[in-house]
Order: sequence, then structure tokens, then C-alpha cells
Amino acid sequence: DTEVTQTPKHLVMGMTNKKSLKCEQHMGHRAMYWYKQKAKKPPELMFVYSYEKLSINESVPSRFSPECPNSSLLNLHLHALQPEDSALYLCASSHQEQDRAQYFGPGTRLLVL
Amino acid sequence: KQEVTQIPAALSVPEGENLVLNCSFTDSAIYNLQWFRQDPGKGLTSLLLIQSSQREQTSGRLNASLDKSSGRSTLYIAASQPGDSATYLCAVRGTDKLIFGTGTRLQVFP
Repeated sequence: DTEVTQTPKHLVMGMTNKKSLKCEQHMGHRAMYWYKQKAKKPPELMFVYSYEKLSINESVPSRFSPECPNSSLLNLHLHALQPEDSALYLCASSHQEQDRAQYFGPGTRLLVL
Repeated sequence: KQEVTQIPAALSVPEGENLVLNCSFTDSAIYNLQWFRQDPGKGLTSLLLIQSSQREQTSGRLNASLDKSSGRSTLYIAASQPGDSATYLCAVRGTDKLIFGTGTRLQVFP
């Protein structure tokens, strides 16, 4: 099983809203990732969690707040977003070793009005 | 800084053709290279993973090669089908993250 699940599939929010994106995997992976992808562009790394601890923050604005409650779950809390934050948000996971494959979820399509 | 480029950016071919997609990277210090497929508005599907010590990997009609010293990888698709239409992304794994290429948008028409 190489499945990463993400909810919701689509999300529309206003600039004053607070919402959360959720990601789950049951492959025993201890590294989890958030990516942002704009139309016709490759994914851009936002955050990396390793053994439930934040290991990489790619200078992401504080209106994006990641959380890793346990080894299977990854959340991305959203607050006071801007219209330019509209994008496809992808979650991925992998084994900890650097030579292992990353597996991606289907993404959450976010529209900020 | 690692840079990953894919050529061509877009490709349109009739069904049945054999295809070669190219990926080049500037820093040969990589752990592996992964090829992905992405359908419009969807997530990434992992197609093949080549470790830095390997030369090629095969899965069905797909064959990926890696020449680390020259900074190149190719994805060969045999007997293309309309269902192969998608964007294909290569990504190299450095010390701490994947660096993605710019992608090749493939359209296979009947």
C-alpha cells in the first residue's frame, strides 16, 4: 500500500477564515512533507517533518502553520491567507533514509477569495 | 544550487510512437532520481526511482536511465497510448529534499 490521503479535496476560504488541511499515511514512513504547486509549475517544498519534528521550513509565511500530531498524520493550519496563496497543496511521505522514494497524496485545491 | 531542466516542455505525438523525455541536472551529488506522472489538477504518481548507483530501471512500458556523471536522465515510453497523456516530472534527491524539474506535458492522440 503506497497511499497518502488528503482532505478536503477542495477548499474555498476567505482571507479572514481559519481552516486546516489534513494528510494521512499508514506506510510507516517517518518523514512527511508539505508542498505548494501553482498552475503549470513544479511543486515547491514548504515543510519537512522528521520523526514528528519540524526539520525544514522553507521560509514559509507564518500564516501557514504545520503540525504533526503523530507519525501517521500531518496537518497544515491556514489563517489570514492571501489570494496569491491559492494553489494545489500536496502532502508526501517517505522512509527516513535519503535514498527512498517519496509518495504523494492527491492534493487539496485551495482557493482564497 | 541544484537546477533541474526538462526537455521538451511539451510534446504531442500519435498513438503507438516510442518517446524519450529528457531530464538534466547541474549537481551530480544526488541520492536518487525519481520520475513522476501528474494528471491535471491531481497529485503526483511515482513511476520509477533510480538510485545514484544504478544505471536504469524498468516498469512495464517505461524505462528510465541515469548518467550521474553527465547529469542526465531519460524516460523512455514504449508504444505510447492516449492514457499516457499527462505531465511528467523528474526530481533529484539532494541532502535534504527533492528538487523538481520543469516538467514535460505529453499529449498522445488516437
